Parts: sequence; C-alpha cells; structure tokens
Amino acid sequence: SQTIHQWPATLVQPVGSPLSLECTVEGTSNPNLYWYRQAAGRGLQLLFYSVGIGQISSEVPQNLSASRPQDRQFILSSKKLLLSDSGFYLCAWEEGPDEKLFFGSGTQLSVL
Amino acid sequence: DAKTTQPNSMESNEEEPVHLPCNHSTISGTDYIHWYRQLPSQGPEYVIHGLTSNVNNRMASLAIAEDRKSSTLILHRATLRDAAVYYCILRDGDDKIIFGKGTRLHILP
Repeated sequence: SQTIHQWPATLVQPVGSPLSLECTVEGTSNPNLYWYRQAAGRGLQLLFYSVGIGQISSEVPQNLSASRPQDRQFILSSKKLLLSDSGFYLCAWEEGPDEKLFFGSGTQLSVL
Repeated sequence: DAKTTQPNSMESNEEEPVHLPCNHSTISGTDYIHWYRQLPSQGPEYVIHGLTSNVNNRMASLAIAEDRKSSTLILHRATLRDAAVYYCILRDGDDKIIFGKGTRLHILP
C-alpha cells in the first residue's frame, strides 16, 4: 500500500537560518506532489506542486523553494527563514488528476 | 482562488445528522466535487467525491444539486470525533488543488 513520510514533526529555527523539509512517498510511481502551509488558525495555502521529476510550479512568491530530485521525493527549502515562515507544513500526493489527495503528518515549524 | 463558498462555522448536536452546504455556482461540466476534512493538528483527509449523482460511503453521503451549482455533505450521525474543518473543493483534471477556508464543525455533547 501507499504511504507518505514527512519529517521532522516539529522544528524550531532562528530567523535567518536555512530550512530543509523532506517528503517521500512509497508504493506508487509518478505521483503528483504538493507542499501546503497552514498558518495558525488559517486555511491551507498551496506553495508548490509537481507533476514529475524536476517539474515544479510555484504558487506564491516567497523565500521558499522546492525541488523534486527523484520521482517520489519532494523537498521544501529556504536559504534564510523569516518569522512569517512559521506554520504547519504539509506534503501531499495523488496518483493523477481527479484522484484522492493523501497528506503526510505535517511539520510544525516555529521561526523565532 | 477557491471556487467554492462555505459557511465559516456550524454547530450540531451529537448523534444527530449534519448537513454541510457548499456553493459552486461557476462549476464546469467536468469539475468533480471533492470533500476533505481536517482534524486538529492533522493533515486533511479525503471524505468523498462525486460528479453528478449522489454518492455514499462509510464516512458520509454527498448530495449534488441537479444544476450542480451546490452540494451538501451529510454526516448521518455526528460524533464528537467528527469535529473538524470540512473543505469542499472543485477538481478538473489537471487543475492543482486549492483549498478554501472550509467550515469549522462543532459537535455539542
């Protein structure tokens, strides 16, 4: 069966430090992959999505970037974190258009 | 932008049915209607989806208006564990998934 792994679960980083969050999917091939962010008490904001290796679409201009070095690996990065980057980061995957979306357990990021 | 409109919050008593509405007046003929819910401190989980006909599964039922401009998620017998934010989303093939603000459902014991 398919599973999605996202780590770490919680992270506390100082302003100006780099960030790397990793997400991997098992049991499927060529999934569509997503990164979302949820600020405290707010809705889900789509950050990036990818339909294949090296194919990344950015939804919101910001100091974050994403990469997909392998078919089932999606990485969210930042060179210098801002206070406003704090939030709950969620990775998700789907097998194709109109398919169900499956979410990871999320990373709670606090930038201090 | 999200293409659906939902009430910000709703309340229901435990063990009673809950009807969560969603308006999608600009829906196209090929848009599927998806529902997800998000429990506290967790990622969203899939609930149900449909195109034109009403749908039932073990979690809920989805009633779709004849003109498809609105739909209703029905929880037949709400429990405290159903307290969550419920999202109604339109999906059309290659479209990326945009979540709106959803409806926060409170269940009263």
